[in-house]
Amino acid sequence: QVQLVESGGGVVQPGRSLRLSCAVSGFSFSNYGMHWVRQAPGKGLEWVAVIWYDGSKKDYGDSVKGRVTISRDNAKNTLYLQMNRLRVEDTAVYYCAREKERWLPIFDSWGKGTLVAVSS
Amino acid sequence: DIQLTQSPSTLSASVGDRVTITCRASQNVDNWLAWYQQKPGKAPKLLIYRATDLESGVPSRFSGSGSGTEITLTISSLQPDDFATYYCQQYKSSPWTFGQGTKVEIK
Repeated sequence: QVQLVESGGGVVQPGRSLRLSCAVSGFSFSNYGMHWVRQAPGKGLEWVAVIWYDGSKKDYGDSVKGRVTISRDNAKNTLYLQMNRLRVEDTAVYYCAREKERWLPIFDSWGKGTLVAVSS
Repeated sequence: DIQLTQSPSTLSASVGDRVTITCRASQNVDNWLAWYQQKPGKAPKLLIYRATDLESGVPSRFSGSGSGTEITLTISSLQPDDFATYYCQQYKSSPWTFGQGTKVEIK
């Protein structure tokens, strides 16, 4: 069955960096666009980033643009999110999510999420 | 960016009630709108996409209607498993945005 497992979250000081990973299984990873979506504690959902199935295109939400890089390794079935210059307001559960179909940015499979807490 | 506003923010209802949640967009999204259900501590679950299409495995008591700037999610007969928070999401244009959520509580 489809599985997405995030890792790499933790407590980090403002201004530092963190790399999140999302290991997937149960589907052909290289055929799907992948996204990161985050949720601050007690708040709603916020789309963070997308990477096309082949890595050829990336796009970012306004609040993270310039500080975050999404990447993927199709040979390792793994999605990444490199987060730099972290801010307190980046504190959230970060979910990786699969597009339902190529180029259709709705999310039919999600991981359980990894918590990033930015605090001094 | 397209802003989505859901109403109500909180809804108190009983098992068996018909429930309607509205998602209003700041710009026309045509029918490029999805609905998700999220329970505490869990990831969201896709319910409906393209405003009216039911995701596989989702009970038929869930339905979507509308297009343009006002789209609704209806639960025809609320079941105990349906008490959760519901989010709409537009995919008309990037950045893909979500509504603020509607919490459906037990009355």
